[in-house]
Amino acid sequence: GAVVSQHPSRVICKSGTSVKIECRSLDFQATTMFWYRQFPKQSLMLMATSNEGSKATYEQGVEKDKFLINHASLTLSTLTVTSAHPEDSSFYICSARDRDLGSPLHFGNGTRLTVT
Amino acid sequence: AQRVTQPEKLLSVFKGAPVELKCNYSYSGSPELFWYVQYSRQRLQLLLRHISRESIKGFTADLNKGETSFHLKKPFAQEEDSAMYYCAPPWMWYFGTGTSLTVIP
Repeated sequence: GAVVSQHPSRVICKSGTSVKIECRSLDFQATTMFWYRQFPKQSLMLMATSNEGSKATYEQGVEKDKFLINHASLTLSTLTVTSAHPEDSSFYICSARDRDLGSPLHFGNGTRLTVT
Repeated sequence: AQRVTQPEKLLSVFKGAPVELKCNYSYSGSPELFWYVQYSRQRLQLLLRHISRESIKGFTADLNKGETSFHLKKPFAQEEDSAMYYCAPPWMWYFGTGTSLTVIP
């Protein structure tokens, strides 16, 4: 089945530094990838939609300059948390879907970001 | 507006009891719907898709066009079924609150 690999699974960084999270579709081409943030015991909150070869579409309230998204190829999207602050600590999840618009989403394992 | 709702945010049942997680949709036509599940400390994953009409881990879901529902059912809940469950169509990548199922031993 379709697999989405997300790396790293856990990262701890100091306040003010930047962190890059990668999301790869391993056995299918993903023209669209999605980035979510999940708080404990809550649902996934969509942050942005990443389209291959074009700019990402951010949800209202998500700072595009803080959460930089790049989708340079059909199998890779990256989320960079710039100048991270403790309030950015969270669980970040990516998902991808193949070209079939009726297909389900495939999710990464998530990245636990802790900013100290 | 096209909407999918899960009216129950929290659901608790005893082990061995039947469980039904509700999902209602508000658009016309022939909808495609999925049930996703997120077990503790695991990734969100597809549980069921309505076109497959299969049973996964004892769960089934039938599309009821008359009631515009796609409820997820299992006749005998197990402790390992405790998880977050989300109902969504393929064109929706927003997730609602989902339903948190707790199976009480």
